[in-house]
Amino acid sequence: EAQVTQNPRYLITVTGKKLTVTCSQNMNHEYMSWYRQDPGLGLRQIYYSMNVEVTDKGDVPEGYKVSRKEKRNFPLILESPSPNQTSLYFCASSSNSYEQYFGPGTRLTVT
Amino acid sequence: GQQLNQSPQSMFIQEGEDVSMNCTSSSIFNTWLWYKQEPGEGPVLLIALYKAGELTSNGRLTAQFGITRKDSFLNISASIPSDVGIYFCAGRNAGNNRKLIWGLGTSLAVNP
Repeated sequence: EAQVTQNPRYLITVTGKKLTVTCSQNMNHEYMSWYRQDPGLGLRQIYYSMNVEVTDKGDVPEGYKVSRKEKRNFPLILESPSPNQTSLYFCASSSNSYEQYFGPGTRLTVT
Repeated sequence: GQQLNQSPQSMFIQEGEDVSMNCTSSSIFNTWLWYKQEPGEGPVLLIALYKAGELTSNGRLTAQFGITRKDSFLNISASIPSDVGIYFCAGRNAGNNRKLIWGLGTSLAVNP
């Protein structure tokens, strides 16, 4: 089954404790992206990757890092999480950057 | 970043009614897409449009790529309870092929 998986689905952590949210797709897509979704603000892109070893900033990249060492994986790293990064995070992949398949989401709470 | 103007923000309708929502942009787009997000899940692509004037259907859903290339419309006919969710429009700007511009969503509630 074609899918995008994210782990964990839910995470509660404390300020400053580094964390990684994993994302994996099994569709051999070149394009992958991370979004955050906050009430009233819609979907905002954090980072995206056009291919292996090629990443670029989206609209809200501050406080986040990504890497793309393999085609199928695109982890999101928060080196020092802060409460304003409490949000719902989605990973997405696509063969063409616009018809995107989304993962189920990761709900992150930073206290 | 740029955002699309999507309206209405929310709708509460009776089962069986038709629904219309739209999305406008200040610049020309060469692709319009409509996604639906159900509670607790990620958005799912409903319809993709690539040509001005194009009208495309997916079951009871019909979307159109506006002639001016600055707007798009989504209609849902004979709504049913499972149509509940948030509908997002997204577009690809002619000047930047790498990213989508998103609307803030239309929240749809259907009263059985």
